[in-house]
Amino acid sequence: EVQLVESGGGLVQPGRSMKLSCAASGFTFNNYDMAWVCQAPKKGLEWVATISYDGSSTYYRDSVKGRFTISRDNAKSTLYLQMDSLRSEDTATYYCARQGILDLFFDYWGQGVMVTVSS
Amino acid sequence: NIVLTQSPATLSVTPGESVSLSCRASQSISTSIHWYQQKSNESPRLLIKYASQSISGIPSRFSGSGSGTDFTLSINRVESEDFSIYYCQQSYSSLYTFGAGTKLELK
Repeated sequence: EVQLVESGGGLVQPGRSMKLSCAASGFTFNNYDMAWVCQAPKKGLEWVATISYDGSSTYYRDSVKGRFTISRDNAKSTLYLQMDSLRSEDTATYYCARQGILDLFFDYWGQGVMVTVSS
Repeated sequence: NIVLTQSPATLSVTPGESVSLSCRASQSISTSIHWYQQKSNESPRLLIKYASQSISGIPSRFSGSGSGTDFTLSINRVESEDFSIYYCQQSYSSLYTFGAGTKLELK
């Protein structure tokens, strides 16, 4: 059974950093691209970033480029999102999602982790 | 960025009705559109891939159609468990975008 379990969320002050993790199991992690998708309270879904199966390529939405870094450790089957210079508008639930290398949709999602940026 | 416009924002129906939800892209995206369902306080679930391709485990009452800029998610005879929010997502551009969602609610 495919499982994606996020961790690392919580309350953080504006301008500070936070690192999210996503532990994957039930599939061959290094055969899939992975992504982060966020959802602000009472709002819709927003794609944040994608990393290729081998970590060689990364893609970001414009609003996080230069502040967020997506990475992965294939030996640990874990996906990360390093979030720096956090802003109040980054407050959201962050979902880890599996994406096929050629199948550019999100077929499995984690339960999500809440990040609140506030002083 | 490719903008996806979903309509209507809210659709009020009674169980047993059949409905169509629209997703329009700001430019032609072939069939690079995917549909998700999100129930209250749950993670999204993939319903349809590449405009019309079915997903294993998804009830057959869900179907998709369209190409270019206009796409439709159809639900044949809505059931009570279908009341949730539906999102479309494009993968034509590597900068993926989602529509704002259509809320399907009980009339």
